[in-house]
Amino acid sequence: AQTVTQSQPEMSVQEAETVTLSCTYDTSESNYYLFWYKQPPSRQMILVIRQEAYKQQNATENRFSVNFQKAAKSFSLKISDSQLGDTAMYFCAFMTLYYGGATNKLIFGTGTLLAVQP
Amino acid sequence: NAGVTQTPKFRVLKTGQSMTLLCAQDMNHEYMYWYRQDPGMGLRLIHYSVGEGTTAKGEVPDGYNVSRLKKQNFLLGLESAAPSQTSVYFCASSLDRSPNYGYTFGSGTRLTVV
Repeated sequence: AQTVTQSQPEMSVQEAETVTLSCTYDTSESNYYLFWYKQPPSRQMILVIRQEAYKQQNATENRFSVNFQKAAKSFSLKISDSQLGDTAMYFCAFMTLYYGGATNKLIFGTGTLLAVQP
Repeated sequence: NAGVTQTPKFRVLKTGQSMTLLCAQDMNHEYMYWYRQDPGMGLRLIHYSVGEGTTAKGEVPDGYNVSRLKKQNFLLGLESAAPSQTSVYFCASSLDRSPNYGYTFGSGTRLTVV
């Protein structure tokens, strides 16, 4: 079974600084996707960034980037120039591609609550 | 705005009562999902549907039933609510099974069972 582990329940960062959120996963599959979702106090789940496992290049979306280490099964999220609006719960998520199966389910980690301090 | 709409947004139930949570999407998505979110446990899949008239069990299906009579709606039912079902429930949808399009989530329903 696939599992996703986020070992940092809470983190804090000063505005304009850089912070890295950790995520590790366990799978025996070779073809999969990894995601980071943001959940602000509004509860809305927002996709931040997506990484395809077969791509070696790390994904980047503006101030958000990932460090994808496939051999180590690690997928960390780096937020540069942190802003107050980045305060949220961040979830790491995993999806295996089963081409013969009915669906590809999204499996979530337990989340990291990030507080950006002014 | 197009998206996923969940009703109600908040609800308090007494133990043993029943209720139905409604999820509606207007994006013509084939796949729909129900998750529950609990502190320290992330989001866990309850049930999902790969098309109109189909349903399947997820990771934590016990105590819940679902129906997908219309493509745009996915209903989650609690026949006899228990305090352990106190949670925030999220509905999501996706165009198909490809991760390229991602999931669209509703804004959640906070359910308290007393």
